[in-house]
Amino acid sequence: EAAVTQSPRNKVTVTGGNVTLSCRQTNSHNYMYWYRQDTGHGLRLIHYSYGAGNLQIGDVPDGYKATRTTQEDFFLLLELASPSQTSLYFCASSEAGEQYFGPGTRLTVL
Amino acid sequence: QQKVQQSPESLIVPEGAMTSLNCTFSDSASQYFAWYRQHSGKAPKALMSIFSNGEKEEGRFTIHLNKASLHFSLHIRDSQPSDSALYLCAANTGANTGKLTFGHGTILRVHP
Repeated sequence: EAAVTQSPRNKVTVTGGNVTLSCRQTNSHNYMYWYRQDTGHGLRLIHYSYGAGNLQIGDVPDGYKATRTTQEDFFLLLELASPSQTSLYFCASSEAGEQYFGPGTRLTVL
Repeated sequence: QQKVQQSPESLIVPEGAMTSLNCTFSDSASQYFAWYRQHSGKAPKALMSIFSNGEKEEGRFTIHLNKASLHFSLHIRDSQPSDSALYLCAANTGANTGKLTFGHGTILRVHP
């Protein structure tokens, strides 16, 4: 059974739209992460958290909010989506060290 | 801020060859170094990691770390077509092993 799941798997929205990406982990890990992956840029960290209610700013946070509601659930919010946010988004969890990734959400902003 | 750079950007090798991938980092206080592999259309998955100077071998894969030169590498012996993937190196920031910075990746293709 997959330990990190993401929903939706694909999402298309328009410029200015609101989008929420969801992530759930059953690893009982304290850390959760949101990354975006674009060709030529590897994985870039948007936000991360080390427990419910905690939020840490990553390396490319502009235009994104995140919220960690429980140990299991981490959400990424795009309140005014722009075409530059078209990307593949990965969620991950860890107990520090090795990170375990979800299957990804492909977001297209038209 | 930690900077992680990988080389080469892409690599094509014949089946059975030795493959070497390189990674440099900027934070001399980093303590955790790892390689991830991502097959096309799939999520990244941890391959190997190392904490201290030296090397570690797991099957056909060897990771080598030299903290003084801010460099670590991955070597694949007897490369197989199934090794074809995007390889990402990662290093943590200072004492915080909860935050990793990834390189841009090396695309490896192993041809039969």
